[in-house]
Amino acid sequence: DTEVTQTPKHLVMGMTNKKSLKCEQHMGHRAMYWYKQKAKKPPELMFVYSYEKLSINESVPSRFSPECPNSSLLNLHLHALQPEDSALYLCASSTYQEGSMKLFFGSGTQLSVL
Amino acid sequence: GQQVMQIPQYQHVQEGEDFTTYCNSSTTLSNIQWYKQRPGGHPVFLIQLVKSGEVKKQKRLTFQFGEAKKNSSLHITATQTTDVGTYFCAGWRGTSYGKLTFGQGTILTVHP
Repeated sequence: DTEVTQTPKHLVMGMTNKKSLKCEQHMGHRAMYWYKQKAKKPPELMFVYSYEKLSINESVPSRFSPECPNSSLLNLHLHALQPEDSALYLCASSTYQEGSMKLFFGSGTQLSVL
Repeated sequence: GQQVMQIPQYQHVQEGEDFTTYCNSSTTLSNIQWYKQRPGGHPVFLIQLVKSGEVKKQKRLTFQFGEAKKNSSLHITATQTTDVGTYFCAGWRGTSYGKLTFGQGTILTVHP
């Protein structure tokens, strides 16, 4: 199984809502990532978890809250988002090996904030 | 901070023509990777280059890593309509595991 599964595929939320994005992989990868991607732009790194610990937070606003319940799951909790947060949110995983960072991306959640 | 510049931003070709996209990093890289994102899709890993001067081929795709490990290129021979998409390079400096720096991407359109 070489898939990273993300749910939901689409999400529309108001600025006062709380929602969560979910990501799952069963490849035994020990590094998991959240990226944000705007149209016609490259993915922007938000968070990296390695061995279930948060290792990188790219100064992401606190309205985005990541969680890694176990080595296969990654969540992104959303609260009080702004319309400019509308984007494609991509989860990815990779093996945690020096010199090897092949990323497996999920199909993403297209988020619209109204 | 580290920057990876990628050109061109857009490329329109006739089917059968060749295509090249170039990446240039402001700092020496530990490795560089290439990803393809089809319209409406997600990035898919193509290849990773690690060694100075490395050249790798995948069918019609040729990837190069510069001698100074600061630049890279992807060349597609005889493009097909299935090559349509955005090609991203992504560099890693070798520190702060997980922190890839993506280029801006080249959007390739292939006209039949």
